[in-house]
Amino acid sequence: DADVTQTPRNRITKTGKRIMLECSQTKGHDRMYWYRQDPGLGLRLIYYSFDVKDINKGEISDGYSVSRQAQAKFSLSLESAIPNQTALYFCATSDSRPDTQYFGPGTRLTVL
Amino acid sequence: EDQVTQSPEALRLQEGESSSLNCSYTVSGLRGLFWYRQDPGKGPEFLFTLYSAGEEKEKERLKATLTKKESFLHITAPKPEDSATYLCAVSSNNAGNMLTFGGGTRLMVKP
Repeated sequence: DADVTQTPRNRITKTGKRIMLECSQTKGHDRMYWYRQDPGLGLRLIYYSFDVKDINKGEISDGYSVSRQAQAKFSLSLESAIPNQTALYFCATSDSRPDTQYFGPGTRLTVL
Repeated sequence: EDQVTQSPEALRLQEGESSSLNCSYTVSGLRGLFWYRQDPGKGPEFLFTLYSAGEEKEKERLKATLTKKESFLHITAPKPEDSATYLCAVSSNNAGNMLTFGGGTRLMVKP
């Protein structure tokens, strides 16, 4: 089984809808991250969490929120989806050292 | 602010034609430099972590090296299955556990 899983893998939704992307990990890592990837813009950090009680904004947090339900689970929500949130979304995990992050398979989100 | 620049953006090779990908970085106190492989529509797959200048790591046809300003990913006798986008990232004392990614190099190996 994969160490980092994401659901759903693909999602098409309409403008204004609320949507949640979920991430689970079995690596036992404390730190979890959400990124989005757009063609030509690379990977950009949305939110990160160093433990269950610690949530931090990343580079592009506007329009997103997160919930860390347990050490192994980290969810990303789009409260009111808009078309420019169409992208690939990746969850990642890491231990405190050596900073190496391990990525999930991604969710392809399309907002119409 | 940490910066990572990868070159070239795209590279076409014939099978067996060795080459190198470049990752130039500017950081305040390097903690680590990371190489990932990403296939289309999939998550980045971890390849290597390098921590200090002079360090080298190898995996099959790939070898990563590190200097104080840049890292190279050398690909020896590549095969079509090596075709992918290769991402470089750094973590620094300035940014803690955060990774700053470069834009990637898209490698295409023709049979």
